[in-house]
Amino acid sequence: GAVVSQHPSWVICKSGTSVKIECRSLDFQATTMFWYRQFPKQSLMLMATSNEGSKATYEQGVEKDKFLINHASLTLSTLTVTSAHPEDSSFYICSVEVGQAYNEQFFGPGTRLTVL
Amino acid sequence: AQSVTQPDIHITVSEGASLELRCNYSYGATPYLFWYVQSPGQGLQLLLKYFSGDTLVQGIKGFEAEFKRSQSSFNLRKPSVHWSDAAEYFCAVGVNTDKLIFGTGTRLQVFP
Repeated sequence: GAVVSQHPSWVICKSGTSVKIECRSLDFQATTMFWYRQFPKQSLMLMATSNEGSKATYEQGVEKDKFLINHASLTLSTLTVTSAHPEDSSFYICSVEVGQAYNEQFFGPGTRLTVL
Repeated sequence: AQSVTQPDIHITVSEGASLELRCNYSYGATPYLFWYVQSPGQGLQLLLKYFSGDTLVQGIKGFEAEFKRSQSSFNLRKPSVHWSDAAEYFCAVGVNTDKLIFGTGTRLQVFP
């Protein structure tokens, strides 16, 4: 498997500010990472696929200008929530793809974002 | 369209009792199926997976799941539940060789 970390584990910010969330693959070189959003008591919704060295692929309905994804190395992907608003408050989870043929992913512990 | 249904939002069992969590999927091709567990404050942990072959899959922590193509199901079972199994359980199907589609989850509560 892969060990995945996220930083910060939780963050509180004011409305209108930007927040950056880091996702690190500690022991696996990840060409592909994924970013999910999870609302309370709900399932994980895929936001985007992050590919090392290229632009992310966003799911339908996800604003690419609001949720900026950068995957500059094989061990780090970042998600920046720009001009955050209270409705962006959520649990953001990243994952690392370890088995391309079989959709196998290992997940980070998640980041709780609260926008005041 | 691909989808995963977990009919039970919340299940409560006594410690030591058996457990079955239901999962039904909709996917046109051969599915890759997964069960994950999410404990409070922790990331999703893979319990088991099905790619092909034996339809009864063994996982970690004493869990198993059975793939039934005729019923489009991949139910998770455990013969004797422990209090530490209390968590949220997610079934997922792999699509298009890279994405995972998750069910809505089943919250398991265990009483002593």
